[in-house]
Amino acid sequence: AQSVAQPEDQVNVAEGNPLTVKCTYSVSGNPYLFWYVQYPNRGLQFLLKYITGDNLVKGSYGFEAEFNKSQTSFHLKKPSALVSDSALYFCAVRDIQNNNAGNMLTFGGGTRLMVKP
Amino acid sequence: NAGVTQTPKFQVLKTGQSMTLQCAQDMNHNSMYWYRQDPGMGLRLIYYSASEGTTDKGEVPNGYNVSRLNKREFSLRLESAAPSQTSVYFCASSPRRDGAYNEQFFGPGTRLTVL
Repeated sequence: AQSVAQPEDQVNVAEGNPLTVKCTYSVSGNPYLFWYVQYPNRGLQFLLKYITGDNLVKGSYGFEAEFNKSQTSFHLKKPSALVSDSALYFCAVRDIQNNNAGNMLTFGGGTRLMVKP
Repeated sequence: NAGVTQTPKFQVLKTGQSMTLQCAQDMNHNSMYWYRQDPGMGLRLIYYSASEGTTDKGEVPNGYNVSRLNKREFSLRLESAAPSQTSVYFCASSPRRDGAYNEQFFGPGTRLTVL
């Protein structure tokens, strides 16, 4: 079975400061990992993904995430937060060993990021 | 290029009523999905269709049915709505049936309230 946890319901950060949104996962094999962002009254938008290779993945809007296999984590980071980054962030995982034909992802519960001016 | 579209945007039903949520994508994607989003629970997969002509249950299929009408369209039906089905419903698609690492593209959602 595959699962993902986002331990923080909300993260507050001041504009200009670095931000981190945490994600840990559980899979039986190797993971494919994703981050999505949801702005109010909108669908989810893809930010970045880790498939293989470099543990530091760069994505849209200046976000990056670091894959740490030993800690089973995939934390989302940004060096300098913007007020416009305020949104709901979701981590998602798929176990490479999971032989489901439909590319099914398991999503975390979401973390609300609040960036204050 | 509209991406993934969903209708309606909002719907209020009474317990026991039925309705169909429509979803269409114009990206020639093979796989399509229906999720529900509830506060603090993230997105949970209801049904998915890996390719045209196939559908499979996800994590929370009870009370729902789906139809993959053609490659573009994937509908979700509530035969007898219950208050527990009050939620925001999202449709998504992804390019390839075997593209495990393909990201999913989401529609804007349907906010459903069952009284």
